[in-house]
Amino acid sequence: NAGVTQTPKFRILKIGQSMTLQCTQDMNHNYMYWYRQDPGMGLKLIYYSVGAGITDKGEVPNGYNVSRSTTEDFPLRLELAAPSQTSVYFCASSPQGGGGELFFGEGSRLTVL
Amino acid sequence: QKEVEQNSGPLSVPEGAIASLNCTYSDRGSQSFFWYRQYSGKSPELIMSIYSNGDKEDGRFTAQLNKASQYVSLLIRDSQPSDSATYLCADYGGSQGNLIFGKGTKLSVKP
Repeated sequence: NAGVTQTPKFRILKIGQSMTLQCTQDMNHNYMYWYRQDPGMGLKLIYYSVGAGITDKGEVPNGYNVSRSTTEDFPLRLELAAPSQTSVYFCASSPQGGGGELFFGEGSRLTVL
Repeated sequence: QKEVEQNSGPLSVPEGAIASLNCTYSDRGSQSFFWYRQYSGKSPELIMSIYSNGDKEDGRFTAQLNKASQYVSLLIRDSQPSDSATYLCADYGGSQGNLIFGKGTKLSVKP
């Protein structure tokens, strides 16, 4: 089991560019999440999904979009990148009924210049 | 807006001592709490969960919950340098997508 896999691990974007952070899990978890973590700050929820075809906004969704066409994949799209989106992004998953027990990917460090 | 408060530290303890990490939460109705450990440059990993008042022990780790005081703590006995990390407290509000993290406390265990 690879667990939760994120790509890319590092990326530098110019202001106004767009990109997609990929996330895939092989644990057959229904629930998937995208968080961002800024230095010295906790994790902020961007979007989450409770199953294929179902997504919902978290605390900080502006500037991002997601889709969930399969159980395994939950890509995060950044449109018109801004310096405020410089952060470390973590994808996570949890089994149905798992509550707060999340399994995290290794993270994607994004810099917008 | 639910909040989870943690002292950012750093908390420095000598090897072999007990490290005490604390967290308070704002939502009196919250039922479940989690402690995640995050090594520098790595992703968080779950180390403890606690759902009811009192203590829960797992090896060198003890989680404590006091719902009347809205207070959660994590004790690490016989602290080791390998315990040096940031510890994140999280409040699960009972519905998916509702896990609120504190900013974390950085622990440093000195040999």
